[in-house]
Amino acid sequence: QVQLVESGGGLVKPGGSLRLSCAASGFTFSDYYMSWIRQAPGKGLEWVSYISSSSSYTNYADSVKGRFTISRDNAKNSLYLQMNSLRAEDTAVYYCAREARDGSHSDYWGQGTLVTVSS
Amino acid sequence: QSVLTQPPSVSGAPGQRVTISCTGSSSNIGAGYDVHWYQQLPGTAPKLLIYGNSNRPSGVPDRFSGSKSGTSASLAITGLQAEDEADYYCQSYDSSLSGPWVFGGGTKLTVL
Repeated sequence: QVQLVESGGGLVKPGGSLRLSCAASGFTFSDYYMSWIRQAPGKGLEWVSYISSSSSYTNYADSVKGRFTISRDNAKNSLYLQMNSLRAEDTAVYYCAREARDGSHSDYWGQGTLVTVSS
Repeated sequence: QSVLTQPPSVSGAPGQRVTISCTGSSSNIGAGYDVHWYQQLPGTAPKLLIYGNSNRPSGVPDRFSGSKSGTSASLAITGLQAEDEADYYCQSYDSSLSGPWVFGGGTKLTVL
């Protein structure tokens, strides 16, 4: 069965950095686009970034462009999100999600990892 | 302010039918892009409930159904059960934004 397990969240000061990881299993990771989606406490969902199956294409929400970098290692079945220059408004649960074959939605989500940006 | 508009809350008694609306515009739902729905049970990650406007993934009960018309979409839940109490989010694609996916603000379903 498809499993996505995020790690790397925690408390970081404004301006700091954090690297999130997502370990994938139960499917051929290298065949799928992957995304990061976040949810601020008590708020709705916000798409953050996606990466193509071969890492050729990436895209970012305007709110994180220039500060966050998505990457993947298909040999390790892993997805990453490098977050720099963190701000208080980046505080959220970050979900790793597999994109459906047609790229229109996410068909599987991880359990999420909490990132708190506070001094 | 979310690009897709959902009512903040809906409620219904066990066994009843409820609907949740998702209103967009000519750059997303109205442009013909599919609408997808996710269910988020308390304290858990979102789970795909409906994809491609009206399709259910394997394992989702047929009590859940989706439809789309014009610039709006709807999620209907019949035979309401206590375990349906959750947050529901719609999602689509928007051609006017840099990011591909947009979400509704979410609707809290309370089973009375």
